Amino acid sequence: GQNIDQPTEMTATEGAIVQINCTYQTSGFNGLFWYQQHAGEAPTFLSYNVLDGLEEKGRFSSFLSRSKGYSYLLLKELQMKDSASYLCAPYNYGQNFVFGPGTRLSVLP
Amino acid sequence: GAVVSQHPSRVICKSGTSVKIECRSLDFQATTMFWYRQFPKQSLMLMATSNEGSKATYEQGVEKDKFLINHASLTLSTLTVTSAHPEDSSFYICSARDLASGFSYEQYFGPGTRLTVT
Repeated sequence: GQNIDQPTEMTATEGAIVQINCTYQTSGFNGLFWYQQHAGEAPTFLSYNVLDGLEEKGRFSSFLSRSKGYSYLLLKELQMKDSASYLCAPYNYGQNFVFGPGTRLSVLP
Repeated sequence: GAVVSQHPSRVICKSGTSVKIECRSLDFQATTMFWYRQFPKQSLMLMATSNEGSKATYEQGVEKDKFLINHASLTLSTLTVTSAHPEDSSFYICSARDLASGFSYEQYFGPGTRLTVT
């Protein structure tokens, strides 16, 4: 089975940096996805980490530690449009996606 | 490329009636499509995996006789909510895997269908 944990809600100020953590316990593991989902919309792909370490993609970076079952998504220079839910999804090849509970981020002016 | 559409985007129906939701891959072929359900302020929960030409695989706790899935072609899967009740009101999202993609894990999500049962 799988156990995925994320903080339920976070609040940050426009222009700041926020780190959203995800811990997981899975029976198999190939990589970890991060998705962004605005209210009432479908999730959109942010990143996919396979190897340990930090991968940077513009304002968003994602980190993975396979040995610790831990990942985080780092959002820099926060903008109001970043207010959304962020879902992590550990992936095991050949199996279906299981999304974490999601973290609702509110960016305040 | 890799666009998935859903129809309708919103539907309101009366309790006891059935509702059909379509999921289409517009510019690629998908042997596998997935159906998710999302209640307010909750994450996506996988309901079933739809395979073209074969029976769908349902997740534990999902009633296959209530949520009928048909994947008749490589570009279309349908979810029919039969005898809908207010507790079925939810946001239903489909996703599809591109047959030709070298990344077997990649999924493309539809925009979702908001179902309200009165």
